[in-house]
Amino acid sequence: AQTVTQSQPEMSVQEAETVTLSCTYDTSESNYYLFWYKQPPSRQMILVIRQEAYKQQNATENRFSVNFQKAAKSFSLKISDSQLGDTAMYFCAFMKGSQTGANNLFFGTGTRLTVIP
Amino acid sequence: ETGVTQTPRHLVMGMTNKKSLKCEQHLGHNAMYWYKQSAKKPLELMFVYSLEERVENNSVPSRFSPECPNSSHLFLHLHTLQPEDSALYLCASSQDRLYNQPQHFGDGTRLSIL
Repeated sequence: AQTVTQSQPEMSVQEAETVTLSCTYDTSESNYYLFWYKQPPSRQMILVIRQEAYKQQNATENRFSVNFQKAAKSFSLKISDSQLGDTAMYFCAFMKGSQTGANNLFFGTGTRLTVIP
Repeated sequence: ETGVTQTPRHLVMGMTNKKSLKCEQHLGHNAMYWYKQSAKKPLELMFVYSLEERVENNSVPSRFSPECPNSSHLFLHLHTLQPEDSALYLCASSQDRLYNQPQHFGDGTRLSIL
């Protein structure tokens, strides 16, 4: 079974500063995908960034980047130049890399991030 | 415009009522999902439909009954719910069920059981 752990229930950061959200996972799969989703107060779950496990290079999307440590099964999200609109719940998620269907997502419990003006 | 629309946004119902949640996706996707989001718990996958066929049912009680009449619409029929069923119910869709296909979510229906 796959488990995803987010050990920080809540975090805060000053506007324009950098913050890192942690995520660890447990799996016996060798091929998989990792995601960070953002859920603002509007409740829509928005995909922020994703990482393929077979890629050594860390994924980046504008101000968002990940630190993927496959051996340590760690997948942290770094948000640079934090903006007020970044205030949201952030969920780490895991997907097996099976080629035969089953793109099920396994989510962590989330980290509530507040950006302080 | 999210591409995945859920109605109603909020629903309050008694334990003996029957109601339905609706999800519609405008993305041309072939797979749709129902998730339950409870406070301080990971999102729980409830049901998965692929090409209008139910392909997964994750031990969900029979008081929840899904329906997928076509690839654009997904319903969750509710009857004789329990207080612990109060949660945010999220619908999602993806192009198909192949690996690496990202899921697109709606805004959810906040369900409260009295």
